[in-house]
Amino acid sequence: QSALTQPASVSGSPGQSITISCSGTSSDVGNYNLVSWYQQHPGKAPKLMIYEGSKRPSGVSNRFSGSKSGNTASLTISGLQADDEADYYCSSYAGSSAVVFGGGTKVTVL
Amino acid sequence: QVQLVQSGAEVKKPGASVKVSCKASGYIFISYGISWVRQAPGQGLEWMGWISAYNNYTKYAQNLLDRVTMTTDTSTSTVYMDLRSLRSDDTAVYYCARTGLIPAALHMDVWGKGTTVIVSS
Repeated sequence: QSALTQPASVSGSPGQSITISCSGTSSDVGNYNLVSWYQQHPGKAPKLMIYEGSKRPSGVSNRFSGSKSGNTASLTISGLQADDEADYYCSSYAGSSAVVFGGGTKVTVL
Repeated sequence: QVQLVQSGAEVKKPGASVKVSCKASGYIFISYGISWVRQAPGQGLEWMGWISAYNNYTKYAQNLLDRVTMTTDTSTSTVYMDLRSLRSDDTAVYYCARTGLIPAALHMDVWGKGTTVIVSS
């Protein structure tokens, strides 16, 4: 499976909204509503933020939301805060019990 | 609380093998699977595969098929990841993460802190 495509970096000012895209194919993102998003701060383990496209685990702020259109999934962070500065990774079910990750996006809070 | 505790850092020579453990607690072990994800220095996350703690079903990433083995020990709620024929580009932090048992639930909701594996002559 090929990695999903994410922008290398996205930035925004505190309080603004930003959107991170995650482009796949009809074999992964487009074929299943099973995209997850993970947040990773430097030196820390990833943290699940969104699963099954748009569901938030307990304890994750509702400022984080997920959506999908065709072969592209998106993560939107609204009301951007300093602590949102981190790397974000998407992943998708890719069929045959396999998973594929995106290359990651560095979010900078200006 | 639900947690995954991984074994300590390893330094290995090229060609050697490494076995990383991941001990689960705080939940019913056989009701979930464990995924393994690695991250090379300064790089992104790479999915390595997963194992069902219920029936030991495994699925490995295509590029690791011939070098990786994942196993479980239900008596100690521990999962092991064995990587053979190590190369310098296997140098990475290796994470275990709790995952579901079905394709619709392969997201990773609880992560270990990671195990650093360095491959160097």
